[in-house]
Amino acid sequence: QQQVKQSPQSLIVQKGGIPIINCAYENTAFDYFPWYQQFPGKGPALLIAIRPDVSEKKEGRFTISFNKSAKQFSLHIMDSQPGDSATYFCAASNVGNEKLTFGTGTRLTIIP
Amino acid sequence: NAGVTQTPKFRILKIGQSMTLQCTQDMNHNYMYWYRQDPGMGLKLIYYSVGAGITDKGEVPNGYNVSRSTTEDFPLRLELAAPSQTSVYFCASTWGANTEAFFGQGTRLTVV
Repeated sequence: QQQVKQSPQSLIVQKGGIPIINCAYENTAFDYFPWYQQFPGKGPALLIAIRPDVSEKKEGRFTISFNKSAKQFSLHIMDSQPGDSATYFCAASNVGNEKLTFGTGTRLTIIP
Repeated sequence: NAGVTQTPKFRILKIGQSMTLQCTQDMNHNYMYWYRQDPGMGLKLIYYSVGAGITDKGEVPNGYNVSRSTTEDFPLRLELAAPSQTSVYFCASTWGANTEAFFGQGTRLTVV
């Protein structure tokens, strides 16, 4: 049973555009929603994370939007650059559940 | 700090052989995880551990075994390797639930 659904599977955006990656979850107990960025040949690394007490969090050009009632959250990348080309994973977890559940990933390509 | 170190980086196994993937972390994290990553499937949890001497199954534990004799080390054992175990394996560690996960560089395993 997949508890975190991620879309799209792949995304191509021109430099300067705003790619948006969406995730939906089922488990209402989840209370921590991180995004991980993975470059080819590397392990994933934490990009940004949000907790459900806020609806939006920004860190530099990266923004998470969170909709608790819809059980959805999304990643927006402002002024995207070719260096942002990577695979992005959303994830979810909660205290008492030691397992971090990942989405299936989005391969993002930013073209010059 | 080295973070999370995995060895080997690459390995080719013949069907029926066995091997151990090594993982060690120097951050004194209690929680450690093994994931496998297949194209388009995201990161699937194989086994995890919340402390030395404690291990538990994740989503896809069949064909694997783990042990956690120390806080630092969390080896993954493959017995009787099968082509279905061809994948990229990642070890990760966290301080606790709902905290940043640190990943190793991965082990690319091919079973032929």
